[in-house]
Amino acid sequence: AQKITQTQPGMFVQEKEAVTLDCTYDTSDPSYGLFWYKQPSSGEMIFLIYQGSYDQQNATEGRYSLNFQKARKSANLVISASQLGDSAMYFCAMTTQGAQKLVFGQGTRLTINP
Amino acid sequence: NAGVMQNPRHLVRRRGQEARLRCSPMKGHSHVYWYRQLPEEGLKFMVYLQKENIIDESGMPKERFSAEFPKEGPSILRIQQVVRGDSAAYFCASSKSVGTGTENTEAFFGQGTRLTVV
Repeated sequence: AQKITQTQPGMFVQEKEAVTLDCTYDTSDPSYGLFWYKQPSSGEMIFLIYQGSYDQQNATEGRYSLNFQKARKSANLVISASQLGDSAMYFCAMTTQGAQKLVFGQGTRLTINP
Repeated sequence: NAGVMQNPRHLVRRRGQEARLRCSPMKGHSHVYWYRQLPEEGLKFMVYLQKENIIDESGMPKERFSAEFPKEGPSILRIQQVVRGDSAAYFCASSKSVGTGTENTEAFFGQGTRLTVV
């Protein structure tokens, strides 16, 4: 079975600083995908970034990058130059070749202070 | 180019009533997933459907819950005889295809339906 662990229930960061949100995963399937979603207070789920298990390079999307360390089974999200609008819940999730459903972690509530 | 449409956005039901949640996937998407989110928790998978078929219902409670995705029309998540513990946000997501686990088969989410059982 797949499992996602996010160990930081909440984080507080000063505006313009970089922030790293931790995510570790567990699966026996060699083919998998890792996702990060943002959920603002309005409730919608916003896709941020994706990393495939066979991707050689770390994924990047604008201010978001994914620090993929396969041997450690970690997929941390890095947000550079944080903004007030980044305040939200952030969820790490994965799919595997054997199970197409997304398995989510418990989430990290990020608060950006001015 | 409408995204995933869920309705209603908010639904209030008394204990014992039925709740029907609807989801219209994005155009061209034939895979639909339902997730439930309790307050301050992550989303939990419930069921995965393709047109007229349930592919994986391993996350569905055994009783009172059912889902369908007919040939025509939206996908429906039905909860019979609702109880207070059913109060949650229910999200639908759709994707165009399923990959091997290494392709980005991004699932697009709807806005969710917030069910409150009183």
